[in-house]
Amino acid sequence: AQTVTQSQPEMSVQEAETVTLSCTYDTSESDYYLFWYKQPPSRQMILVIRQEAYKQQNATENRFSVNFQKAAKSFSLKISDSQLGDAAMYFCAYRSPVSGGSNYKLTFGKGTLLTVNP
Amino acid sequence: SAVISQKPSRDICQRGTSLTIQCQVDSQVTMMFWYRQQPGQSLTLIATANQGSEATYESGFVIDKFPISRPNLTFSTLTVSNMSPEDSSIYLCSVETVYMETQYFGPGTRLLVL
Repeated sequence: AQTVTQSQPEMSVQEAETVTLSCTYDTSESDYYLFWYKQPPSRQMILVIRQEAYKQQNATENRFSVNFQKAAKSFSLKISDSQLGDAAMYFCAYRSPVSGGSNYKLTFGKGTLLTVNP
Repeated sequence: SAVISQKPSRDICQRGTSLTIQCQVDSQVTMMFWYRQQPGQSLTLIATANQGSEATYESGFVIDKFPISRPNLTFSTLTVSNMSPEDSSIYLCSVETVYMETQYFGPGTRLLVL
């Protein structure tokens, strides 16, 4: 079974600075998908960024980018020019590519609570 | 991405009662999922709601406790039956369309059982 580990329960960053959230995972599969979701106090789970394991290029979405190291099974999220609205719980998640049944399942890490200081 | 709504957004219930949570999507989707997020915890998949067939439950979750319906490609319900305080959680539905391989979440239902 796949596992996802987020070793930083809490992180803080100054507004306009850069912060990196860590995520490692364990899998025997060669192809899969990785995600970062953001959960603000409203509790809505919001997709931040998505990475396909077969792509060597790191995904980017505006101020959000990832450092995907497949051999090391590492998937960190970098937030540049941090804003007050970035404050939230961030979850790393893993998904197998195979269709059908529980293979659609997202396996989540325990989350990292990000505080942005003005 | 699809627009997903859930009803109710929150509720306070007495132990021993049941609550049905609705999930509505503004477009047809292949897969719908129900997750539970206990206080201070991460998300755990309860079941996958399949249109036209029985839901597929994860280990530790049973149909008698969490019956699910999926009558069409835009709607699903999750019932939390015979509730106890341990069922106090946020319940989230998510959707995925085939070939998208990305799940999008509804706003969640915050349930408190007294």
